[in-house]
Amino acid sequence: DVKVTQSSRYLVKRTGEKVFLECVQDMDHENMFWYRQDPGLGLRLIYFSYDVKMKEKGDIPEGYSVSREKKERFSLILESASTNQTSMYLCASSFPGQGGNEKLFFGSGTQLSVL
Amino acid sequence: KQEVTQIPAALSVPEGENLVLNCSFTDSAIYNLQWFRQDPGKGLTSLLLIQSSQREQTSGRLNASLDKSSGRSTLYIAASQPGDSATYLCAVGEYSGAGSYQLTFGKGTKLSVIP
Repeated sequence: DVKVTQSSRYLVKRTGEKVFLECVQDMDHENMFWYRQDPGLGLRLIYFSYDVKMKEKGDIPEGYSVSREKKERFSLILESASTNQTSMYLCASSFPGQGGNEKLFFGSGTQLSVL
Repeated sequence: KQEVTQIPAALSVPEGENLVLNCSFTDSAIYNLQWFRQDPGKGLTSLLLIQSSQREQTSGRLNASLDKSSGRSTLYIAASQPGDSATYLCAVGEYSGAGSYQLTFGKGTKLSVIP
C-alpha cells in the first residue's frame, strides 16, 4: 500500500515564526501536492511538484514556498506564519499514469494553529 | 475555471437505505474524476476513479457513474451502514496548459447513517 506520511499531526506556532511541514511518500511517485482545507472553502491547492526541484503554484501560493530536493520528500514552508494560515494541511502524491489513471494518495493531515 | 459542486451538503439516512450523492462540474473536458472519503480530522481516502472514457466504476457496495457531456457524476451507496458515515468528496482531474495534472475538489457531502 502507498504510504504518505506527514511529520506532525498537530502543530501550534506563533505569529511570525517560520514553519516547516514535511511530507514523505514511499512509492516513488513523481507528483506531489500540498492542499489546505478550511470549513466552507473545501480543499485548495497551494503548490505542487511533478519532479525533483520542480514546483508550480497552485490556486493560493501567497505566503507559502515549497522545497523538493529528493523525490520522496516535499516540504511546505510558511516563511512568516500568520493567523489566517491556521488550517488543516494535506499532502498528496500520485504517479503520472496513462489514460487518466492518476489516483491521488493523501497523508493524514497536519492541523496547524497559528496564535 | 473548473467549478465542482456537490449537493446536498449534508445527508442523514437510516441504516440499510440505498443513497445517491451528486457531483456536477462546469467544464466537461476532464481527464478523470475521483471520489474520496474523509473521516473527521483525517486525510482523504480514494474510493473510486473513473477515467474520462469510462461510464462507471464499482467497488463493493459503491458504484460511481460519470456523464461527461452533462457534467455530472453520482456515487451510489447500497445498503448503507453506520460505518459509512463520513464526508464524501468529488474531485475532477484535468491537465493544465503547462501539461501538469491537477484536481479540483467539491466541498463534499457529509453523510450520517443512523443505526
